[in-house]
Amino acid sequence: EAGVAQSPRYKIIEKRQSVAFWCNPISGHATLYWYQQILGQGPKLLIQFQNNGVVDDSQLPKDRFSAERLKGVDSTLKIQPAKLEDSAVYLCASSLGGVGSEAFFGQGTRLTVV
Amino acid sequence: SQQGEEDPQALSIQEGENATMNCSYKTSINNLQWYRQNSGRGLVHLILIRSNEREKHSGRLRVTLDTSKKSSSLLITASRAADTASYFCATEGGSYIPTFGRGTSLIVHP
Repeated sequence: EAGVAQSPRYKIIEKRQSVAFWCNPISGHATLYWYQQILGQGPKLLIQFQNNGVVDDSQLPKDRFSAERLKGVDSTLKIQPAKLEDSAVYLCASSLGGVGSEAFFGQGTRLTVV
Repeated sequence: SQQGEEDPQALSIQEGENATMNCSYKTSINNLQWYRQNSGRGLVHLILIRSNEREKHSGRLRVTLDTSKKSSSLLITASRAADTASYFCATEGGSYIPTFGRGTSLIVHP
C-alpha cells in the first residue's frame, strides 16, 4: 500500500518569500492533517480536513498560512510571506477518520527560512 | 498548546535493557496513541489505547493507561539499537484530533 507522499523533501527560502508544500494522502483516507514540527518539539496541528471541508484550523496563522484540499484528495499548504520562525518540518498525515483512527504520516518537508 | 508531556526528555540505555517512558496529560481523553520518529522512517504509529483500557501489548511494547492519574507509560522490553528514536504520545479528546507532546529521545547503545 502506498503511503502518504509529500513534496518537496527540502526547501530553503529567504524570509518574505512564499512557499508551497504538496501532500497526497493514502487512497480512501477521508481525514488529512497538516502538522508543523519545530526542532526539538512535538508536531503541532495546523489544520485538519475531513474530505474537502476544514474541521479545525484554530492554530493556523491565517495571516500568512493557507491550505486547501481540492476534491477531497490532494492538499497544498502555502506560506506567504515566510518568516524565520517558520523554519520547521511540515508533516502531512491521513487517516480513515472516526474514533481512534491511526494516522499515517508522510516523510515531511523540511523548510529552512534564511 | 500541547496536551501530553513525555518524561524523561532523554533516555540512554544499553541494548537488551528495558526502556520506560511516561506521558502525562491534563484533560480527559478518549484515547492515547504512541508514535516513534526517527530520521529514516518519519513518524510511525506504534499502539493505541482507549480510555476504557488499562493495558495493551504489541510485540515488545507494553502500554498502560491510568485515567485517574492522567498518565500513560510505554515500556520497550529487550531494547535493540534499532529502537533508537524519539517517542511521542498523542492524546485525543472530544475533538478526536491527535495532540502531541514534546517526546522522549531514546538512545540504545549496542
